[in-house]
Formats: sequence, structure tokens, C-alpha cells
Amino acid sequence: DTGVSQDPRHKITKRGQNVTFRCDPISEHNRLYWYRQTLGQGPEFLTYFQNEAQLEKSRLLSDRFSAERPKGSFSTLEIQRTEQGDSAMYLCASSHRDRNYEQYFGPGTRLTVT
Amino acid sequence: QKEVEQNSGPLSVPEGAIASLNCTYSDRGSQSFFWYRQYSGKSPELIMFIYSNGDKEDGRFTAQLNKASQYVSLLIRDSQPSDSATYLCAVNVDTDKLIFGTGTRLQVFP
Repeated sequence: DTGVSQDPRHKITKRGQNVTFRCDPISEHNRLYWYRQTLGQGPEFLTYFQNEAQLEKSRLLSDRFSAERPKGSFSTLEIQRTEQGDSAMYLCASSHRDRNYEQYFGPGTRLTVT
Repeated sequence: QKEVEQNSGPLSVPEGAIASLNCTYSDRGSQSFFWYRQYSGKSPELIMFIYSNGDKEDGRFTAQLNKASQYVSLLIRDSQPSDSATYLCAVNVDTDKLIFGTGTRLQVFP
């Protein structure tokens, strides 16, 4: 298996700009998760998909955040009108249908909002 | 009270010793328990999971779960400098999301 991949690995943007991140899960993994991690903290859950259906969204996910998984394969996370507080590592994870709770993370996308 | 609590450390152990990392959780409905290792600047890597009370061993790692005490631990035997990292405890309650602690930083010195 190739692992979870994320693109880009780093993104620097100015406050107010929109950004979009992509995640490709491990093949045959039907569940895909987005987390956010800031320095000194553990990852915080944002949202997750089973196939193309978005099953849960965290209260942390403001209206400026939107995630899609249109064909049940890759997923995108978009942040509109970025704020400095959005600076973080955005992590994607995936899990197999038979082992839902065992989540494997990608390398992450580090976002810096200036 | 945080849902998953860990001592932030650092926990310093000499090479070859046993490192003991601890985690407590608040929700008695927690079902599954995970340990992730995270090197500085990298993403978390799943190293152990445990679902039932008792011990689970995998190589140099042993996970221990005590649901009555709401306590899960990770033992690393024969610690190596390459084990130096932050260890994140995570639990699953009633949905598929994981709730993470803030992690314990482990330092193994030669």
C-alpha cells in the first residue's frame, strides 16, 4: 500500500485569501478524516467521510471551512477568507471499512497565514 | 476536565531502560485506544491499539488498558535514542473520530 498523500505540503498565504488542500487516502480505505494540529497540541477532529458522504463535522469547523469527497476517493478541504488563527498543520487520515478506528495519517499540510 | 490527559513531559530515560507513558480518559463509553508516535515536524504514526482490558504486546511495545480506572499506558522496552518523540494517546468514544491528548515528549539519552 502506498500511504496517505497530501498536497501541498506547505502553504503560505495572506490573510483573507482562500486555500484548498487535497488528500488521497490509502487505496481501498473507504473512510477519510481531516484533523488540525497546532503546536504543542494533539490533533483535533474536523470532519470525516465514509465514501462520498460527510458523516460528521466538528463544531470547530466554521462556515469558512468546507470539505468534499465527490467520488469517494480523494478529498479537498477549503478554507475561505483565511485568518491568522487558521495557521496549523492540517492532517488527513484514512481507515479501512473493516478496521474503522485504525486511522493512518498522511504527512500533513502546514498552513501559515501572514 | 480534558477528555484525554497526558503528562506533557519530557520523560527522560537512559538507553536500554523501560519507558512508561500514561494516559487517562474521562468518558467511560470510550471503546478503542491508540498510541501514536510523532517525530518533530512529522505527522502521527500509529504504533499500537488496544480494545480490551489487559495487555497487548508488539515487539518492544506493550499497551495496557484498565477500563475500570480509565487508564491506558504504553511501555517501551529497551528504549533507543530513535524512540525519542512525542507519544500521543487517542480514544474513540461513540463515533469514528479520535480524541487525542496533548502528548508526552520522550527523550532517550545514550
